[in-house]
Amino acid sequence: KAGVTQTPRYLIKTRGQQVTLSCSPISGHRSVSWYQQTPGQGLQFLFEYFSETQRNKGNFPGRFSGRQFSNSRSEMNVSTLELGDSALYLCASSFGSGYYEQYFGPGTRLTVT
Amino acid sequence: QQQVKQSPQSLIVQKGGISIINCAYENTAFDYFPWYQQFPGKGPALLIAIRPDVSEKKEGRFTISFNKSAKQFSLHIMDSQPGDSATYFCAASLNSGGSNYKLTFGKGTLLTVNP
Repeated sequence: KAGVTQTPRYLIKTRGQQVTLSCSPISGHRSVSWYQQTPGQGLQFLFEYFSETQRNKGNFPGRFSGRQFSNSRSEMNVSTLELGDSALYLCASSFGSGYYEQYFGPGTRLTVT
Repeated sequence: QQQVKQSPQSLIVQKGGISIINCAYENTAFDYFPWYQQFPGKGPALLIAIRPDVSEKKEGRFTISFNKSAKQFSLHIMDSQPGDSATYFCAASLNSGGSNYKLTFGKGTLLTVNP
């Protein structure tokens, strides 16, 4: 089975721009979660989508948003980028929402200049 | 508020030795405790996980020990190998009403196994 794929792998954006990241979950998985990883804050939960519905949300500003499509693929969007948004953005998929293992993709490295 | 505290930040072990990483949590509602391994340039990979109804779980060279009363759990890597050199994260989650599920991670431990 193919793993979780994320595109693009690397991005460089300018402060004030917006960015869209994409995640394709493992085939058959319906839940997608997004995490931000930085050296200072570590891994922080952004949000989870299950069956196209946002099930849970972390403590991030409204500039961070996401959505999930009927084929379970997910996108996250960050508007009005700030320097502090530079991070590795990880997507994780699981079969369902709840007691299921989460499998992570390789991440998208976003650099904001 | 850091809900999962992980120690040490870094650990150096000789090949064949035992690596021990500890985590402590605050929220007694947590009911799922996975450990992840992350290599540079890769996403975290699930190593092993435990639920609070058992005190120990072993998979190969990896063992989780869980102490519910102390709100602590630890990862033991037996016969550590240079290929185990990576960053290890403990995590915890709770299933609130069956639909809210998120992982709260520790800050990570950089493990180096010297040959």
